[in-house]
Amino acid sequence: AQSVSQHNHHVILSEAASLELGCNYSYGGTVNLFWYVQYPGQHLQLLLKYFSGDPLVKGIKGFEAEFIKSKFSFNLRKPSVQWSDTAEYFCAVSGPFGNEKLTFGTGTRLTIIP
Amino acid sequence: DAGVIQSPRHEVTEMGQEVTLRCKPISGHNSLFWYRQTMMRGLELLIYFNNNVPIDDSGMPEDRFSAKMPNASFSTLKIQPSEPRDSAVYFCASRTIGASGANVLTFGAGSRLTVL
Repeated sequence: AQSVSQHNHHVILSEAASLELGCNYSYGGTVNLFWYVQYPGQHLQLLLKYFSGDPLVKGIKGFEAEFIKSKFSFNLRKPSVQWSDTAEYFCAVSGPFGNEKLTFGTGTRLTIIP
Repeated sequence: DAGVIQSPRHEVTEMGQEVTLRCKPISGHNSLFWYRQTMMRGLELLIYFNNNVPIDDSGMPEDRFSAKMPNASFSTLKIQPSEPRDSAVYFCASRTIGASGANVLTFGAGSRLTVL
């Protein structure tokens, strides 16, 4: 069965600090990987995705993630966070076909201190 | 496009009552998901449909939970009888089934359920 682990439950950073949120997945085969973000009071929305090709994926708002197949990881990074990045971040995995389910991690709450 | 529409946005009910949550997916999307979000367990997949057919309901907690998708534009999640441990935010999401690369979900605003 596929699963996702996000080990950081709550991360607190000051503005301009660098960010890395961990995501490890379990899946026996080719994967699609996602990061979704939920800003306070808003819908979950897609931040970035990996389907194939370059393992370094760039998303919206300066976020990027790197797929490391040997480590089953897809960590999210941002070199300099802003107060507006305060949100909950979810990593998700699915198989390679467009009709498969998405399994999410438990999420990481990010709080940015001005 | 109005996006994925869920109702009610908030529901407060007493233990033992029946709860029905509703979802209207994005027009043209042919796959629909129900997730439950809690502090302890994050986003749990309850059930998903492809072309109105339930594909995986292994995440449905127990027989008190049921979900239907009678047509491409409507789905319900029912809890009967409800219990306090069902208190959570329930999300509906939809997508278009396609080749790899299309597996992106659009989420609704969620239905916050409180069972007293």
